[in-house]
Amino acid sequence: QQQVKQSPQSLIVQKGGISIINCAYENTAFDYFPWYQQFPGKGPALLIAIRPDVSEKKEGRFTISFNKSAKQFSLHIMDSQPGDSATYFCAASRGSSNTGKLIFGQGTTLQVKP
Amino acid sequence: SAVISQKPSRDICQRGTSLTIQCQVDSQVTMMFWYRQQPGQSLTLIATANQGSEATYESGFVIDKFPISRPNLTFSTLTVSNMSPEDSSIYLCSVKGGTQYFGPGTRLTVL
Repeated sequence: QQQVKQSPQSLIVQKGGISIINCAYENTAFDYFPWYQQFPGKGPALLIAIRPDVSEKKEGRFTISFNKSAKQFSLHIMDSQPGDSATYFCAASRGSSNTGKLIFGQGTTLQVKP
Repeated sequence: SAVISQKPSRDICQRGTSLTIQCQVDSQVTMMFWYRQQPGQSLTLIATANQGSEATYESGFVIDKFPISRPNLTFSTLTVSNMSPEDSSIYLCSVKGGTQYFGPGTRLTVL
């Protein structure tokens, strides 16, 4: 019940295209869903996050779509750029407990071809 | 946002030895964590570093193998003890303020 399943494992997109990464969770107690971006040799950096009281959140070219009934959420990267090439992790936590314990998905390696 | 530094950034160690990793934050934070990222894998929480008390370990991680200190609100150390090649990973310090931030990581290779 603590798992977060992420797909695909890797993704290749042409410049200007849309990158879509999907995650599914089981624990209905999760109430905070962030996405992290990690470049080689760096720690993960928060990209965007959502709580289940909204179905979509957009920040620039990055959008999270959230489907509470299906227990799924996804990251959409519009107009993908070579600089977006990185590993993306979805995560989930029980924010109300304020423990900060993040459960991470397996990661998706995105390559944006020029 | 919090700025986190870790030392060392990378190390190559021999089997059976121990390595202590330091984490320094530029501001006082209540919650501090240690994660492990095995090669090509996701991040797994090792423990929560509690200031002034023993760390809280996740299932599969024990104090004898990963002793943690947290002497104040800006600093913590993680020791990887009696290392084996299976301990080769990136070890990441993380803090939670309004959001959760990660340090650059310590890349450990055990021969």
